Amino acid sequence: AQTVTQSQPEMSVQEAETVTLSCTYDTSESNYYLFWYKQPPSRQMILVIRQEAYKQQNATENRFSVNFQKAAKSFSLKISDSQLGDTAMYFCAFMKARAGTASKLTFGTGTRLQVTL
Amino acid sequence: DTAVSQTPKYLVTQMGNDKSIKCEQNLGHDTMYWYKQDSKKFLKIMFSYNNKELIINETVPNRFSPKSPDKAHLNLHINSLELGDSAVYFCASSPGPASGNTIYFGEGSWLTVV
Repeated sequence: AQTVTQSQPEMSVQEAETVTLSCTYDTSESNYYLFWYKQPPSRQMILVIRQEAYKQQNATENRFSVNFQKAAKSFSLKISDSQLGDTAMYFCAFMKARAGTASKLTFGTGTRLQVTL
Repeated sequence: DTAVSQTPKYLVTQMGNDKSIKCEQNLGHDTMYWYKQDSKKFLKIMFSYNNKELIINETVPNRFSPKSPDKAHLNLHINSLELGDSAVYFCASSPGPASGNTIYFGEGSWLTVV
């Protein structure tokens, strides 16, 4: 079974600064996907970024980027130029690659990020 | 237009009642899910359907019964509600491997059992 660990329950960053959220996972699979989802106070689950394990290049989406270290089973999220709207719970998630149909997400316990003035 | 929509968004009900949460997706996806988020914010898969066929059932009490009348709908019926069923229930859908396996979530249905 896969497990996802987020060791930082809470973090705080000042507006315009950079923050990195940690995530490690455990799996025996060689092909899989990793995701970061954001959950603001509205409770909506919003996809932030996605990484395919077979790709060596780290995914980037505007101010959000990941540091994917496959051998270390680490998948951290870096948020640059933090904005007040980034305040949310952030969940790291793992999905096993499965032929023909989508698989399930296994989530970490989340990191609550507070962006301050 | 909301891509994955669930109703109701809020539901307060008494122990022992039976309730349903409806979900519809207009994305044309083949796979739909129900996830449960407990009071500690932990998210866990409950069920998954692919083209109306149950493919994942994660040790959920049989008081919970999903129903998929077509691939755009996945409803969740809960019998004999218990206090521990209080949670946020998220419906989600995915296009599958051809489009990167991304899962898209609805806004959640906040169930409170009193």
